[in-house]
Amino acid sequence: QKEVEQDPGPLSVPEGAIVSLNCTYSNSAFQYFMWYRQYSRKGPELLMYTYSSGNKEDGRFTAQVDKSSKYISLFIRDSQPSDSATYLCAMSAMTGGGNKLTFGTGTQLKVEL
Amino acid sequence: DAGVTQSPTHLIKTRGQQVTLRCSPKSGHDTVSWYQQALGQGPQFIFQYYEEEERQRGNFPDRFSGHQFPNYSSELNVNALLLGDSALYLCASSLRQEQYFGPGTRLTVT
Repeated sequence: QKEVEQDPGPLSVPEGAIVSLNCTYSNSAFQYFMWYRQYSRKGPELLMYTYSSGNKEDGRFTAQVDKSSKYISLFIRDSQPSDSATYLCAMSAMTGGGNKLTFGTGTQLKVEL
Repeated sequence: DAGVTQSPTHLIKTRGQQVTLRCSPKSGHDTVSWYQQALGQGPQFIFQYYEEEERQRGNFPDRFSGHQFPNYSSELNVNALLLGDSALYLCASSLRQEQYFGPGTRLTVT
């Protein structure tokens, strides 16, 4: 079983829809949670960063972390065609010996006009 | 402020050859991590450098080695290339927990 599970999609939604992207994880040591957006053949771009449980909002994006359920979500409001990309969840543990990121496989999102 | 830069952008090598990839971190960042991303997969952690030392390593063979220089830039070396090493190699820099990625180097092994 992978440490981080993410539905690969593809997920297709109409413009203006609310998008919900999710990941589950098994390692209870994970404390830092990130969402990255990756356009085709480009490097991942950091969208949201959350420490421990709770919600964080930034513009049209909201990140939620539920450590009790080992479940994280990213919500995109008023989705736009420019949001079409692969969304990767990533997480790391608090250690004194490094902070490697463990990624999900990514969810491919297409926002259609 | 320049972000993370990587060179070269693309590279084609033959099985058995050796390759060196380079990374310059974001200004002010002191930690560099390297990841391998196969097509359709999430990035896999190779190793992380801090203060010119390998601080953490993922499940990659010794054919993968690296170096960090006093100016925090870094190199990834891969020896005895295999077809399965074909991937996008990503460098990320950080000062604390958030890691910022470069555009990647696409390596094709034929």
